[in-house]
Amino acid sequence: GALVYQYPRRTICKSGTSMRMECQAVGFQATSVAWYRQSPQKTFELIALSTVNSAIKYEQNFTQEKFPISHPNLSFSSMTVLNAYLEDRGLYLCGARSGANSDYTFGSGTRLLVI
Amino acid sequence: GDKVKQSPSALSLQEGTNSALRCNFSIAATTVQWFLQNPRGSLINLFYLVPGTKENGRLKSTFNSKESYSTLHIRDAQLEDSGTYFCAAEAGGYKVVFGSGTRLLVSP
Repeated sequence: GALVYQYPRRTICKSGTSMRMECQAVGFQATSVAWYRQSPQKTFELIALSTVNSAIKYEQNFTQEKFPISHPNLSFSSMTVLNAYLEDRGLYLCGARSGANSDYTFGSGTRLLVI
Repeated sequence: GDKVKQSPSALSLQEGTNSALRCNFSIAATTVQWFLQNPRGSLINLFYLVPGTKENGRLKSTFNSKESYSTLHIRDAQLEDSGTYFCAAEAGGYKVVFGSGTRLLVSP
């Protein structure tokens, strides 16, 4: 079956530092990878969508300068939170799918705590 | 405004009862996914729908694209059904938008 492994599961970083999270797709080709953030008591906000052979599209309020994403092949993606501050805390999820007309499979999330 | 409006925001059920969750879309949704977020935060994939209905055990989901809504029916609710349910709709361009979630608590 299709699985997405995401790591680390949780991380704590000091304010102003950066942290990187990774996603590994197993059992399918991750043509599209979407990164979301769930802030405390909120729903999932789309940060950016990466599709192979297309430019990464960032949503309003999210930038490449703050959340650089790498999607080098059909099984791996990473995202870094640069200069993390309190408002960046939350659960970050990556979802991947093999293409249009297929469902997204999500990783278990990376919970970021900023101190 | 909200592109995916989910209701109710919270729901309490007694074990063994039935209920329905709903999502209304103000976007031209082409597919819908329903998820259950467990206490650890992981999203469990429940359904992936094009217009139509799917059933899996005690769960049934319908997506009506013409009337822009989707429902998730829970039959004979069990304690382990507790958690937060999210619907997510795609409106083309590979972008999937989540609803605000329904917190479900099933009690004995």
